[in-house]
Amino acid sequence: AQSVTQLDSQVPVFEEAPVELRCNYSSSVSVYLFWYVQYPNQGLQLLLKYLSGSTLVKGINGFEAEFNKSQTSFHLRKPSVHISDTAEYFCAVSYTGGFKTIFGAGTRLFVKA
Amino acid sequence: DTGVSQNPRHKITKRGQNVTFRCDPISEHNRLYWYRQTLGQGPEFLTYFQNEAQLEKSRLLSDRFSAERPKGSFSTLEIQRTEQGDSAMYLCASQGQVLNTGELFFGEGSRLTVL
Repeated sequence: AQSVTQLDSQVPVFEEAPVELRCNYSSSVSVYLFWYVQYPNQGLQLLLKYLSGSTLVKGINGFEAEFNKSQTSFHLRKPSVHISDTAEYFCAVSYTGGFKTIFGAGTRLFVKA
Repeated sequence: DTGVSQNPRHKITKRGQNVTFRCDPISEHNRLYWYRQTLGQGPEFLTYFQNEAQLEKSRLLSDRFSAERPKGSFSTLEIQRTEQGDSAMYLCASQGQVLNTGELFFGEGSRLTVL
């Protein structure tokens, strides 16, 4: 069965500092991997996705993530965060084919001035 | 089409009452998903449809919950005899099939408060 573990529930960081949000997954089959972002009082929106190919994927707003199959990880990074990046970030996994996406518990990123 | 639409956005009800939520997906999307999200947690899968067929239901979904998608377009999620533990945000998402990349398009959710 699939599962997703986000290792940090909250990450406070100062503006312009780098950040990494950690995600590990478990699955015995090939998967698609996603990061979604949820800004306050808004719906979830896709930040980036890994389907196949290059293990480094780039998303919106300067975020990127690296797929590591041997460590079953898909950590999200940004070299310099802004106040506007304050939000909840969810890592998610689905079987190839995109059915039934499973989400992690989320990491709240809080960017301080 | 501006995206996935859910209503009502907020519902407050008394324990034991029935509630129904509606989701209008992106028009060309044939897959529709319902999730539940409680405070501090990620979205929890409830059920999904491909066109009008309900293909999977979570084992966590009690028999008080029922979902339909009668014509393969909009969907409803009904909760009968609501309990305080049903208080949550109910999220709907749709997904296309052509060149499907697995991306889900979410509505803004329907927040249920059971008193």
